[in-house]
Amino acid sequence: AIQMTQSPSSLSASVGDRVTITCRASQGIRYDLGWYQQKPGKAPKLLIYAASTLQSGVPSRFSGSGSGTDFTLTISSLQPEDFATYYCLQDYNYPWTFGQGTKVEIK
Amino acid sequence: QVQLQESGPGLVKPSETLSLTCTVSGGSISSFYWSWIRQPPGKGLEWIGYMYYSGSTNYNPSLKSRVTISVDTSKNQFSLKLSSVTAADTAVYYCARVSTWASNYMDVWGNGTTVTVSS
Repeated sequence: AIQMTQSPSSLSASVGDRVTITCRASQGIRYDLGWYQQKPGKAPKLLIYAASTLQSGVPSRFSGSGSGTDFTLTISSLQPEDFATYYCLQDYNYPWTFGQGTKVEIK
Repeated sequence: QVQLQESGPGLVKPSETLSLTCTVSGGSISSFYWSWIRQPPGKGLEWIGYMYYSGSTNYNPSLKSRVTISVDTSKNQFSLKLSSVTAADTAVYYCARVSTWASNYMDVWGNGTTVTVSS
């Protein structure tokens, strides 16, 4: 199975900060990667698919980039509602695998 | 818009079979893939598998021998069965719709249902 490694595992940031989360695949996955946001007690929410396509209704401060093995999720200006855990998911081959998550906390 | 709702027993005994149903409302189950994902307490997400509305399936090898996902198009529902459960199967179980434009991604999720395996 393809392993997805996210970094950092957690970070503290302030409202207005630019935040970058990375996800590295153990082998090339083209652009077959999505980013999901999960708040406590809630289901995950799709933010980005195909590495860089913003899901409808998601604020433009979220962006994704990368291909092959290295990917990033960027939040250009962190808002209070963005404090959550973020997961990447590769759908290049089976089984689909998630990263371990990055928890974004308030500084 | 399409909404998903998981249902099923919240408590299952060890060695028994966990059975959950996901009801799709606001849209047809046809022409999409449908997936199950789980999350043990305090841990990350694990993809269990998916099925196409026509019946073809793909399962996570870590669970493959114990998992069955099926669909009932007449009821607009799909189901998960996980046999021979242990405490390690205690988790929140989510159902999700898989869209396949440009890539595969889960764009609609249920709220999740908590299943505890305990005698």
